Amino acid sequence: AQSVAQPEDQVNVAEGNPLTVKCTYSVSGNPYLFWYVQYPNRGLQFLLKYITGDNLVKGSYGFEAEFNKSQTSFHLKKPSALVSDSALYFCAVRDMSDDYKLSFGAGTTVTVRA
Amino acid sequence: NAGVTQTPKFQVLKTGQSMTLQCAQDMNHEYMSWYRQDPGMGLRLIHYSVGAGITDQGEVPNGYNVSRSTTEDFPLRLLSAAPSQTSVYFCASSSIGQGVYEQYFGPGTRLTVT
Repeated sequence: AQSVAQPEDQVNVAEGNPLTVKCTYSVSGNPYLFWYVQYPNRGLQFLLKYITGDNLVKGSYGFEAEFNKSQTSFHLKKPSALVSDSALYFCAVRDMSDDYKLSFGAGTTVTVRA
Repeated sequence: NAGVTQTPKFQVLKTGQSMTLQCAQDMNHEYMSWYRQDPGMGLRLIHYSVGAGITDQGEVPNGYNVSRSTTEDFPLRLLSAAPSQTSVYFCASSSIGQGVYEQYFGPGTRLTVT
């Protein structure tokens, strides 16, 4: 079985400061990893993915994430946060051997204060 | 392109009533799925489909039925609504040819069962 943990319910940062949202995962095989963002009263939007290759992946809106196999982590980062980054962020994982089932974490609410 | 559309946006049901949540996509995606979003639990997969005539169960399928008669449509039926089905429901689609990596989400249906 696969699972995702987002250890922080909320992350608060000041605008211009670095933003990190943590994610750890568990799969029996090799993982496909994803980050999605949800703005209020909207559906989820895809940010980035790790499939294979370079451990540092870049995505939309200046976000990036680092895959760390030994720590089974896939933390989302942004060097300089904007107020408009305030949203709910979800990490998700799919086991390469399980074609179609995506497991989501509980989500982390990010608040960026001006 | 409208992307993924869902109707209705809001619905209130009484316990025991049945209803169908509609989902349609115009991107010719083979893969479609239904999730429910509950506070603190992230998104949980209810049912999914990899093409017309093919459906399978996700993590929380009990109390829900699906069918896929066309590529475009993937309705979710609640057979006999229960208060535990109060949730926000999201439909999503993806191209299997791209490995079901990036899912496109609809705007959601907020369902309340009294």
